[in-house]
Amino acid sequence: DVKVTQSSRYLVKRTGEKVFLECVQDMDHENMFWYRQDPGLGLRLIYFSYDVKMKEKGDIPEGYSVSREKKERFSLILESASTNQTSMYLCASSLPGQGAWETQYFGPGTRLLVL
Amino acid sequence: EDKVVQSPLSLVVHEGDTVTLNCSYEVTNFRSLLWYKQEKKAPTFLFMLTSSGIEKKSGRLSSILDKKELFSILNITATQTGDSAVYLCAVDSGGSNYKLTFGKGTLLTVNP
Repeated sequence: DVKVTQSSRYLVKRTGEKVFLECVQDMDHENMFWYRQDPGLGLRLIYFSYDVKMKEKGDIPEGYSVSREKKERFSLILESASTNQTSMYLCASSLPGQGAWETQYFGPGTRLLVL
Repeated sequence: EDKVVQSPLSLVVHEGDTVTLNCSYEVTNFRSLLWYKQEKKAPTFLFMLTSSGIEKKSGRLSSILDKKELFSILNITATQTGDSAVYLCAVDSGGSNYKLTFGKGTLLTVNP
């Protein structure tokens, strides 16, 4: 019953490291999303992608980039990790159009600690 | 700036109680309001509401939207310990991209 998987549940990195968070979905969804979730701030959208090689910035794209070379895989890249990027990162996928939200599935999350 | 406010931020009840969670919003262009349940990890979709006054129901959970007063409630009757979770409200304010504005969530704890 696997739907959205994320490469790591927990990750510890050093300031300045390049960090890759991987997300894979098996539902053939067009849309994929990266969110971060922080206490007191809720979920915030970093980037989303509506097709292979297509991406759109969300609310907080600064310090992040993304890559979608295949439909099922969406990667989040922290070019130079900083302590303020310590957070829970959630990936999600969905169908396009009006069915987007009712078909959105989230992955289990990656808890990233940047020291 | 779009805003979604949930109340209360946390709530502790006993099994069997009925609870009401609140979500109010201010957005430039409302399209739909969504409720999610988040246990230890991934949020799971509960309801999507687009029209005022039409109750959505799933088992012991129900939700309704008031577009005039800009709020929604999520009701849970006969609560069980398995209902313990963070309940998230989010609003789709339309536009050309897929963007939800989330509230901070309500942490519900159901004690036996």
